[in-house]
Amino acid sequence: AQSVTQPDIHITVSEGASLELRCNYSYGATPYLFWYVQSPGQGLQLLLKYFSGDTLVQGIKGFEAEFKRSQSSFNLRKPSVHWSDAAEYFCAVAGLTGGGNKLTFGTGTQLKVEL
Amino acid sequence: GAGVSQSPRYKVAKRGQDVALRCDPISGHVSLFWYQQALGQGPEFLTYFQNEAQLDKSGLPSDRFFAERPEGSVSTLKIQRTQQEDSAVYLCASSLGLAADTQYFGPGTRLTVL
Repeated sequence: AQSVTQPDIHITVSEGASLELRCNYSYGATPYLFWYVQSPGQGLQLLLKYFSGDTLVQGIKGFEAEFKRSQSSFNLRKPSVHWSDAAEYFCAVAGLTGGGNKLTFGTGTQLKVEL
Repeated sequence: GAGVSQSPRYKVAKRGQDVALRCDPISGHVSLFWYQQALGQGPEFLTYFQNEAQLDKSGLPSDRFFAERPEGSVSTLKIQRTQQEDSAVYLCASSLGLAADTQYFGPGTRLTVL
């Protein structure tokens, strides 16, 4: 069965500092990997996704993530955090289900940005 | 264009009541998913439709949960005889239908069972 682990429940960074959110996955085949962001009262918004090819993926809002098969990781990074990045971040892996791709999410990392 | 919409946004039910949660997917999206997000947790898969066919309902926690999408567009998640443990945010997502397609999420319905 597929699973996702996000080891950090809470992270606090200063505005302008760099950010790395960790994600480890377990999946039997080549995974489809996603990072979503959720702000209070909002739905989940896709930041970026990895299916194949280049292991460094660029997303929206200046985020990027690197797929490392040897470490089963898909960590999210941003070189300079803005106060508006404060939110909850979810890593997810897709597994095929009768033709669809149901997502298995991690428990999330709550990001706080100090001004 | 319009995104995924869900109604109601908030629902308070007394234990034992039945509730119905509605999802309007993005027009033309073949796939529709329901997820349940408990407080402090990530979303968990409930069920999946491809057009009107329910192809996977392995995540439904009990037979009190029922979902339908009769015309392949709007979907309803029904919970019968609600229990306190059903309190959660119920998220709906839709996608074009290919395995690699992005799922677009609605804002969710927050259900509180008293």
